[in-house]
Amino acid sequence: DAKTTQPPSMDCAEGRAANLPCNHSTISGNEYVYWYRQIHSQGPQYIIHGLKNNETNEMASLIITEDRKSSTLILPHATLRDTAVYYCIVRVASSGGSNYKLTFGKGTLLTVNP
Amino acid sequence: NAGVTQTPKFQVLKTGQSMTLQCAQDMNHEYMSWYRQDPGMGLRLIHYSVGAGITDQGEVPNGYNVSRSTTEDFPLRLLSAAPSQTSVYFCASSKGGTGISPLHFGNGTRLTVT
Repeated sequence: DAKTTQPPSMDCAEGRAANLPCNHSTISGNEYVYWYRQIHSQGPQYIIHGLKNNETNEMASLIITEDRKSSTLILPHATLRDTAVYYCIVRVASSGGSNYKLTFGKGTLLTVNP
Repeated sequence: NAGVTQTPKFQVLKTGQSMTLQCAQDMNHEYMSWYRQDPGMGLRLIHYSVGAGITDQGEVPNGYNVSRSTTEDFPLRLLSAAPSQTSVYFCASSKGGTGISPLHFGNGTRLTVT
């Protein structure tokens, strides 16, 4: 799986958009980009994933550059409850036993301030 | 739906004691796995299962045993607890198939070995 690089921390004002970057310059054509977050003392929570098209769900939007070497997770209206560590993960989607073998790095600590 | 349920939430053991961490999911997921999370180390895979009756080792399996007799349950056994096993343990599950299904995590068991 390709390695990812994320800033260690970011701040965002409540109500504003939070844009979390992730660099994955060695990504392969069959690797997906996943985002998870971990709120303090809780298990990681899946947010969104994508291959090459931009994706949006009820939680966030995922913007992947055309060359797929980087992506941005956007929380459109951040709230205090969005304060968490956000993990960007790149992995191959294939059947078989490797489905769950996600490698979590250190992620970005997003602090939403009132 | 309850999702992934882990019990107990907290546990204190003495060195040499044994115990079982319970994990149950009600989503009929084929894949289940155990991770441990230590400060500065991220999440590390201990054991995983691709279906009932099938288990395999992850990144840090020593000192832990698992079995998968049903689709729903995936217990993690510590045979002889050591202080190095003090950690937060997370169980996760996901669908089988193409392999792009996201992981669903429980809220963890916080284990202290004295």
